[in-house]
Amino acid sequence: GAVVSQHPSWVICKSGTSVKIECRSLDFQATTMFWYRQFPKQSLMLMATSNEGSKATYEQGVEKDKFLINHASLTLSTLTVTSAHPEDSSFYICSARQVMFYEQYFGPGTRLTVT
Amino acid sequence: GNSVTQMEGPVTLSEEAFLTINCTYTATGYPSLFWYVQYPGEGLQLLLKATKADDKGSNKGFEATYRKETTSFHLEKGSVQVSDSAVYFCALEGQGGSEKLVFGKGMKLTVNP
Repeated sequence: GAVVSQHPSWVICKSGTSVKIECRSLDFQATTMFWYRQFPKQSLMLMATSNEGSKATYEQGVEKDKFLINHASLTLSTLTVTSAHPEDSSFYICSARQVMFYEQYFGPGTRLTVT
Repeated sequence: GNSVTQMEGPVTLSEEAFLTINCTYTATGYPSLFWYVQYPGEGLQLLLKATKADDKGSNKGFEATYRKETTSFHLEKGSVQVSDSAVYFCALEGQGGSEKLVFGKGMKLTVNP
């Protein structure tokens, strides 16, 4: 149980285009989902926290107009990287927390490459 | 702010070797401490945790003790297996349960038969 999936697992896009990454909790309802970014040989850095039905809370330094987060249901959150640039190339990881539970469950990540 | 410093790898061990992965932290008060493991192609999984000083977390033969005096949470296993090959992340959550996890850089472990 407590499986989180991400789609796609790997995406290449051209500079200036937008790309959407989906995060789904497959067998539980997630009131809170988190989006992280990981650069090679670096830590996971929290980008934003999203609660179902409300606006996401972004960490300092993260551009909310560039990284659009939608958490429209208890099983789905999406991250849209708008007008992507090569410096947005990274590994994006989501996690989800069950209602009334403490632990975060992580997705396998999405590798974004912007050319 | 809160931060985590852990051993960086990669590290290669032979099966049945002893494993220690060092982790130290900087935080105010009493954070909760975690070790996560990421197997190839999978998401991070919680390996063990400790929520107060002197607590010992343990799972799958791994152990880590919350040491307030040395601000450390070192991960140990007495005899590693090939199946332990993965990336290990130390993490903390600030006191009060803010839900925000702060991660170390991760350490890749390869265990050879």
